[in-house]
Amino acid sequence: GENVEQHPSTLSVQEGDSAVIKCTYSDSASNYFPWYKQELGKGPQLIIDIRSNVGEKKDQRIAVTLNKTAKHFSLHITETQPEDSAVYFCAAVSGSARQLTFGSGTQLTVLP
Amino acid sequence: DAGVIQSPRHEVTEMGQEVTLRCKPISGHNSLFWYRQTMMRGLELLIYFNNNVPIDDSGMPEDRFSAKMPNASFSTLKIQPSEPRDSAVYFCASPDGEHSPLHFGNGTRLTVT
Repeated sequence: GENVEQHPSTLSVQEGDSAVIKCTYSDSASNYFPWYKQELGKGPQLIIDIRSNVGEKKDQRIAVTLNKTAKHFSLHITETQPEDSAVYFCAAVSGSARQLTFGSGTQLTVLP
Repeated sequence: DAGVIQSPRHEVTEMGQEVTLRCKPISGHNSLFWYRQTMMRGLELLIYFNNNVPIDDSGMPEDRFSAKMPNASFSTLKIQPSEPRDSAVYFCASPDGEHSPLHFGNGTRLTVT
C-alpha cells in the first residue's frame, strides 16, 4: 500500500516569513495529493490539493508543488500569520482508490 | 450545507462498555470514511463505505470494532467491549461530490478508563 512520509514534524517561523513542508510518497500510481490543516479540537480541513497532471498550484499565500518523478510534493506558505499556526497533514490517494493515506503531520508555529 | 456532523463530541466510558459513535455525512453522496487519530499512529483509515456498502475494512483493528451505514445519511462505528487502548479521536469524512476531496467532521474524542 501507499506510504507517505512528512517532514519536518515541527516548524517554527517568524510572522511574515515563509514555511515549507515536504512529503514523499511510495506508490507511483498515486494521482491526487491534498493538504489539510487541523486546528485544536477540530477535524482536518482541506486547504489546497493538486492532481498528478499538474506541477504547481497556488491559492493566495498557499502553494503546492509536485514532482512525480521524484515522488515529492511540498506545501509553501508565504507571509505567514499567527492564525496559520496549526498541524498540517499531507496525503496521497492511490489510483482509483478513494481512501487517503496521511503523512504524520507538521506542527507549524508562527511567532508574532 | 452543515458539513459532516458527528456525535457525541466527547465520550468517556469504562473499560468493557459498548460505545457507539455516529456520523451524518454531507448529503448527496454515499461515500463515507471512518478514521482514527492518535499521537502514536496519526490518522488511520478504519473503514470506508460506498453506496452504503463497506468497501475496505482492513483498517478495523479487531472484531471488537464494527461499522454500519444503513442509509446514505447515517453511519455508526461501534466498539464492544471497549478497552483503554481504544482512546483516540474518531473522525468521519465524506466528499461533497463524485470527484471531490474528503471533508471531515470535528470528531468524537473517546476516552476509555
